[in-house]
Amino acid sequence: DGGITQSPKYLFRKEGQNVTLSCEQNLNHDAMYWYRQDPGQGLRLIYYSQIVNDFQKGDIAEGYSVSREKKESFPLTVTSAQKNPTAFYLCASSIARSARYEQYFGPGTRLTVT
Amino acid sequence: AQRVTQPEKLLSVFKGAPVELKCNYSYSGSPELFWYVQYSRQRLQLLLRHISRESIKGFTADLNKGETSFHLKKPFAQEEDSAMYYCALRSLTFGQGTILTVHP
Repeated sequence: DGGITQSPKYLFRKEGQNVTLSCEQNLNHDAMYWYRQDPGQGLRLIYYSQIVNDFQKGDIAEGYSVSREKKESFPLTVTSAQKNPTAFYLCASSIARSARYEQYFGPGTRLTVT
Repeated sequence: AQRVTQPEKLLSVFKGAPVELKCNYSYSGSPELFWYVQYSRQRLQLLLRHISRESIKGFTADLNKGETSFHLKKPFAQEEDSAMYYCALRSLTFGQGTILTVHP
């Protein structure tokens, strides 16, 4: 597949620990996104970045943090402040942050916090 | 505010039957609408976008601004169409998704 990768596929953490999910793309896309996918709730936007060193909060940013130091990378940290961190996390990218461009999705990371 | 509603969480049809997955949106400006599909064990991927007015895998979707809808249709469903379908508005807003099951 290539394009956009997420690692690891499965991640387990104890409650109270921060955890960082990796997202890398080699598509030369400017924009990158993080979503959370929960059954019955669809995809909800956590954060997005239009360009290096810039990012904006999405609908459910509380308890999460991101960085965009390189164009290819957009890691997501799930902090201990996130009340319900167990979920499936999807990373995506697009050519630019514009309503007309499609998004390319990674395979996802399933995080389980106990 | 932007909003996308997919009223059906689950939709079941038999092979060869017509299928329609509903999508309604709320947006005051000019909408850009997409349908994404997620097959079992595969990534979420673009199925079609309204601006292209194309038919992909037999699916079509027409933007109806009067009814603020972008329903996805296929005249004869196939078993391989079984998947999760998401309607999306302007790249950032997704609906809740509809799981389509096509029975043999």
